[in-house]
Amino acid sequence: QITLKESGPTLVKPTQTLTLTCTFSGFSLSTSGVGVGWIRQSPGKALEWLALIYWDDDKRYSPSLRSRLTITKDTSKNQVVLTMTNMDPVDTATYYCAHTVYGSGGYDYYYYMDVWGKGTTVTVSS
Amino acid sequence: SYELTQPPSVSVSPGQTASITCSGDKLGYKFASWYQQKPGQSPVLVIYRNNKRPSGIPERFSGSNSGNTATLTISGTQAMDEADYYCQAWDSSTGVFGTGTKVTVL
Repeated sequence: QITLKESGPTLVKPTQTLTLTCTFSGFSLSTSGVGVGWIRQSPGKALEWLALIYWDDDKRYSPSLRSRLTITKDTSKNQVVLTMTNMDPVDTATYYCAHTVYGSGGYDYYYYMDVWGKGTTVTVSS
Repeated sequence: SYELTQPPSVSVSPGQTASITCSGDKLGYKFASWYQQKPGQSPVLVIYRNNKRPSGIPERFSGSNSGNTATLTISGTQAMDEADYYCQAWDSSTGVFGTGTKVTVL
């Protein structure tokens, strides 16, 4: 059974750096075709994809947030860490991590997030 | 950047069919996924690789993807299907979510 759990501060001040940890079980991030992604959702808004780290340590970021995001993994601890710099009140959101599966579907690669954590709520305020 | 557009809301009577569209440039050349999110809960995958259902997802959920439009169809809609639904695709190995559709079962 795959589970993921997000952890981190609930309140950060503007301009600070946010560090979130995703601790998972039930799979290994050294297995081909597996990744862990981060997604956020501001209150009343749509889901927003943030970043993905692959089993081989390759990384992908949202183009609009790329300059502020860093994703890393610690395979021995079964953890993935997302840092976001220069936090602003508009970054107030629930942040989710998710087990991501990907592979070649012939004409394109497929990706999907089949298991999600419960999310952690982060408020940015002075 | 790549964008996916969904209708803000869809209303359906119990037992009827609900169709939710997701539009994006040449979306049919990509793989689409669909997620259901109920208030206060994490999203749940209901369709992946355009038309595949994960284990535990009822058969009334189906998907298709062609041209510029992916569609999620809920046949025989039940009250428990009332939720927000998001499509997702990937462009240059980065994820993109649709704008979301609120499905109301009247």
